[in-house]
Amino acid sequence: KAGVTQTPRYLIKTRGQQVTLSCSPISGHRSVSWYQQTPGQGLQFLFEYFSETQRNKGNFPGRFSGRQFSNSRSEMNVSTLELGDSALYLCASSLVPGAYNEQFFGPGTRLTVL
Amino acid sequence: QQQVKQSPQSLIVQKGGISIINCAYENTAFDYFPWYQQFPGKGPALLIAIRPDVSEKKEGRFTISFNKSAKQFSLHIMDSQPGDSATYFCAASMRSGNTGKLIFGQGTTLQVKP
Repeated sequence: KAGVTQTPRYLIKTRGQQVTLSCSPISGHRSVSWYQQTPGQGLQFLFEYFSETQRNKGNFPGRFSGRQFSNSRSEMNVSTLELGDSALYLCASSLVPGAYNEQFFGPGTRLTVL
Repeated sequence: QQQVKQSPQSLIVQKGGISIINCAYENTAFDYFPWYQQFPGKGPALLIAIRPDVSEKKEGRFTISFNKSAKQFSLHIMDSQPGDSATYFCAASMRSGNTGKLIFGQGTTLQVKP
C-alpha cells in the first residue's frame, strides 16, 4: 500500500510569490491534515480536511489556505510568501478524523523562501 | 492550555541504556497521547500511543507511562540502540472531539552512542 505522497519535495520561491503544495493520502483515507515544521516553532497544526470540508484550522494568517478534492487529495496554498514561511510542510492522512486511528505522515515539502 | 511541554531538548545515551523523555500537558480534554519518531529527511512516524484510561503501555522496547493526575506522560526506550537515534515528539489530541488535530511537544533529539 503506497504511503502519503507529497509534491513537490523541494521548492524555492522568493518573497511575495505564492506557492501550492499537494498531498495524496493513503488510498481509502478521507481525512487530511497539514502541519508546518520549523526549528524554532516545531510542528504546528495548519488545517484539517474531511469530505472536502475544512474541519479545523490552526493559528496561521489568512495567507495560508487549503482545500480537499472529492478524491481526498489536498492542496495548500501560501500567498505573498514571507521569509518566515520557510519550513517543512507535512501532510498526514487517516481514515476519518477523530477516533483513535493512526495518522500517517508524508515526507514533507521543503519550502525555502529567499 | 493547548501546549504540550517536552523535555529534555536533547539526550545522549550509551548503547544498551535507557532513554527517557518526558511531556506535560494542561488541557484535561486531551484523550489521546501518541509518540512520533522522525528521522532526517522523513516525516514523523507513529511509535506508540496511549489513552488516559491506561497508566502504561508497552510495545517491544518502547513503553509509555501515563500519570493522569499529574498530567504527565513519558517515553522509555529500553536497551537503546544506535538505530534509535532520531528526533522524538510527544503529542496530544482530543479525539472525542472528532478531530485528528495534534498538539506536538518541541521534540527531543536522541543520540545513542555505540
